[in-house]
Amino acid sequence: NAGVMQNPRHLVRRRGQEARLRCSPMKGHSHVYWYRQLPEEGLKFMVYLQKENIIDESGMPKERFSAEFPKEGPSILRIQQVVRGDSAAYFCASSRNRDRNTEAFFGQGTRLTVV
Amino acid sequence: DAKTTQPTSMDCAEGRAANLPCNHSTISGNEYVYWYRQIHSQGPQYIIHGLKNNETNEMASLIITEDRKSSTLILPHATLRDTAVYYCIVSGTYKYIFGTGTRLKVLA
Repeated sequence: NAGVMQNPRHLVRRRGQEARLRCSPMKGHSHVYWYRQLPEEGLKFMVYLQKENIIDESGMPKERFSAEFPKEGPSILRIQQVVRGDSAAYFCASSRNRDRNTEAFFGQGTRLTVV
Repeated sequence: DAKTTQPTSMDCAEGRAANLPCNHSTISGNEYVYWYRQIHSQGPQYIIHGLKNNETNEMASLIITEDRKSSTLILPHATLRDTAVYYCIVSGTYKYIFGTGTRLKVLA
């Protein structure tokens, strides 16, 4: 039973390029969450998606960031025109439902470095 | 979601029980207490969660006080591999608010 799979594990981008981070939830999970962890800080919620729907994007920066979770395939977090401040670890989590009694499981993250 | 307060760091001898406290005095009736840990910079690992009853699984035990204003995570026999940052999260929704956690160091 594979866990939450994220790729790539490490990503280096030059300023101004685009970064695409992928997340495949655990089998049977249709709820996906993205979090960002800046160096020496805690994780911060970014966005919550279900298949083909963005449910809550209150933690997403207003510009350059977007997320999707298509009917087929992994969830994608896309960062356009990356800047140095986007360097961080991006974690994806998934859960079976959105019940408050249901735990979410996290992937190993994608470490984005902007040079 | 309610705010939590945890000690910044703790040490524990290998083989002994590690007791990690968490205060959540503003917790509301429908909010659960979740514990996760993060080893090095890996993804957070789910440990345990509960509402008001004590819970136990293969990893840990969770003791929640009767008034639910605080809880304790217990690792019964800590090993070096339990060295990590432990996060106590109070959540009534799908969204987790991570604080700075407790940095537990298990000493040989």
